[in-house]
Amino acid sequence: DAGVIQSPRHEVTEMGQEVTLRCKPISGHDYLFWYRQTMMRGLELLIYFNNNVPIDDSGMPEDRFSAKMPNASFSTLKIQPSEPRDSAVYFCASRQGRTSKETQYFGPGTRLLVL
Amino acid sequence: AQKITQTQPGMFVQEKEAVTLDCTYDTSDPSYGLFWYKQPSSGEMIFLIYQGSYDQQNATEGRYSLNFQKARKSANLVISASQLGDSAMYFCAMREDILTGGGNKLTFGTGTQLKVEL
Repeated sequence: DAGVIQSPRHEVTEMGQEVTLRCKPISGHDYLFWYRQTMMRGLELLIYFNNNVPIDDSGMPEDRFSAKMPNASFSTLKIQPSEPRDSAVYFCASRQGRTSKETQYFGPGTRLLVL
Repeated sequence: AQKITQTQPGMFVQEKEAVTLDCTYDTSDPSYGLFWYKQPSSGEMIFLIYQGSYDQQNATEGRYSLNFQKARKSANLVISASQLGDSAMYFCAMREDILTGGGNKLTFGTGTQLKVEL
């Protein structure tokens, strides 16, 4: 089985530009999570979905960030407009609900650099 | 208060030796799960091992074992027979309220950077 797929793997953009990060969860997983990792703040949960519905977006830093999950196999995280402080590694993760281990499997991450 | 505390920012171990990475947690929930992830320099997050709060035995997965001491609220990762490829950042994480399925957030510690030396 393919793991969680994220694209692009690397993104360099200029301040003010729109950035869209993409994620394809593992087939059959009904939870999808977006995380951000920085040296200063570590791993932070931004938002998660259950059955394509956003459940908790309390970690989304501000209105410039938005996330969607139009179907079970695709999600996007959008930053508009981007700022240098958004530079980070963004991870998508998925898991199957209510299994005994309830393990989250992470994608390879998108390294975002905003100049 | 920190929910997950990893007090060792960096650790060194000789190849083929065992190493213990510390993790303490804080929760009042009786049902929780503890996870360890490995993050090599390439950046991906790799799941290693899981321990449920009601599991009777300590979890083991190959060379990884979890020293779970519930009363002390600690869940230390033990890596036996260290290999050069074990050099990475290791994160401890917790999910609360796992029995009802209501808890979905993973809270991560700050990580321990492990370096395996020849």
